[in-house]
Amino acid sequence: GAGVSQSPRYKVAKRGQDVALRCDPISGHVSLFWYQQALGQGPEFLTYFQNEAQLDKSGLPSDRFFAERPEGSVSTLKIQRTQQEDSAVYLCASSLVSGSQETQYFGPGTRLLVL
Amino acid sequence: DQQVKQNSPSLSVQEGRISILNCDYTNSMFDYFLWYKKYPAEGPTFLISISSIKDKNEDGRFTVFLNKSAKHLSLHIVPSQPGDSAVYFCATKDTTSGTFKYIFGTGTRLKVLA
Repeated sequence: GAGVSQSPRYKVAKRGQDVALRCDPISGHVSLFWYQQALGQGPEFLTYFQNEAQLDKSGLPSDRFFAERPEGSVSTLKIQRTQQEDSAVYLCASSLVSGSQETQYFGPGTRLLVL
Repeated sequence: DQQVKQNSPSLSVQEGRISILNCDYTNSMFDYFLWYKKYPAEGPTFLISISSIKDKNEDGRFTVFLNKSAKHLSLHIVPSQPGDSAVYFCATKDTTSGTFKYIFGTGTRLKVLA
């Protein structure tokens, strides 16, 4: 497709359930970012991939959060044993190159609600 | 502690007038700044950026000004149009901590009145 796509768009999970969120970046984009956006806040960085390598996971809030990009294209963010505080919009972004002045293209996000 | 601050949560402007959105940052080492626009139920869309070697960058109706000494940047939209109504985020790449993270402000909701 022409842009970054994410699925599902909406996810309702019961507390304690595991969830997996998918991101399809723009074809050929090297860099891939995951962000968490709480209501009324800006996106908060979670993790960064350059191709298949996860170069930065400093923003992951706990070891319940795990991300992968095994073939350097599609990425999955997995949240184990979800908690109510995990409720947020999860945004994925990709960029063509990795560098100091890259431009990120965002997907529409997955809205996660944990009950 | 917020390293990128947008102190105005909302702004209303009449169509055709200038919209000025402000952003402050705390770390003088930050050297690349971006503005994003976000419509409801969509991801942020890149609008314009500026490097610290410049103090102004212009793209059509959008101009970003950077005041390094004040650690302040602003986005000017002239003339404002109803389609500009959205949430605007400023962001910077944190090149100081050895990470790849981008830091976003909390956003300013702009409403352009017809």
